[in-house]
Amino acid sequence: GQQLNQSPQSMFIQEGEDVSMNCTSSSIFNTWLWYKQDPGEGPVLLIALYKAGELTSNGRLTAQFGITRKDSFLNISASIPSDVGIYFCAGRNAGGTSYGKLTFGQGTILTVHP
Amino acid sequence: KAGVTQTPRYLIKTRGQQVTLSCSPISGHRSVSWYQQTPGQGLQFLFEYFSETQRNKGNFPGRFSGRQFSNSRSEMNVSTLELGDSALYLCASSFRQGESSPLHFGNGTRLTVT
Repeated sequence: GQQLNQSPQSMFIQEGEDVSMNCTSSSIFNTWLWYKQDPGEGPVLLIALYKAGELTSNGRLTAQFGITRKDSFLNISASIPSDVGIYFCAGRNAGGTSYGKLTFGQGTILTVHP
Repeated sequence: KAGVTQTPRYLIKTRGQQVTLSCSPISGHRSVSWYQQTPGQGLQFLFEYFSETQRNKGNFPGRFSGRQFSNSRSEMNVSTLELGDSALYLCASSFRQGESSPLHFGNGTRLTVT
């Protein structure tokens, strides 16, 4: 089956530092999505990417859809304590009739020390 | 606009029982997908519904089933519960079926099977 490898598994950083995480896939995706999940809540959509090479920002967050369509990365600049949480990448295959099936990475646990 | 609403938030059941979980999508969204989240397996796709029809199903046993109503609300049912069914069950909705229609998640139902 499809595999999404997300790294790193966890990060411990100081407030103000920049963060980078990435996902690689064994197969091609047509959509990459990045989510953040806080304890006791569902994943919240951060950024959606739909085209190979696309670079999209959302405030201090920037994500890119890899040229090969098999990878994506997320950068967080100038981290703050509320960035703490688990970040997930998710990929969606092309075509067919099912657009609700996403393959998720294992998640990156981010801890920010004030 | 209200987000995806899942009820109940918490459930405790015993082995062998059955359970029904409910999901109300974002107003205007017609596609609903269900995911299971566990520490060991991460986020796994269960099934997707659009226009009251199941469009895709993940690799789960037949004890897991679902349906969608004409108002797009969805329910999932798990029969003959097993200890391993303990998980956070997440519902996600999207406006339509399409590659540019991201999934928005609810806060989930935490199911504990004893």
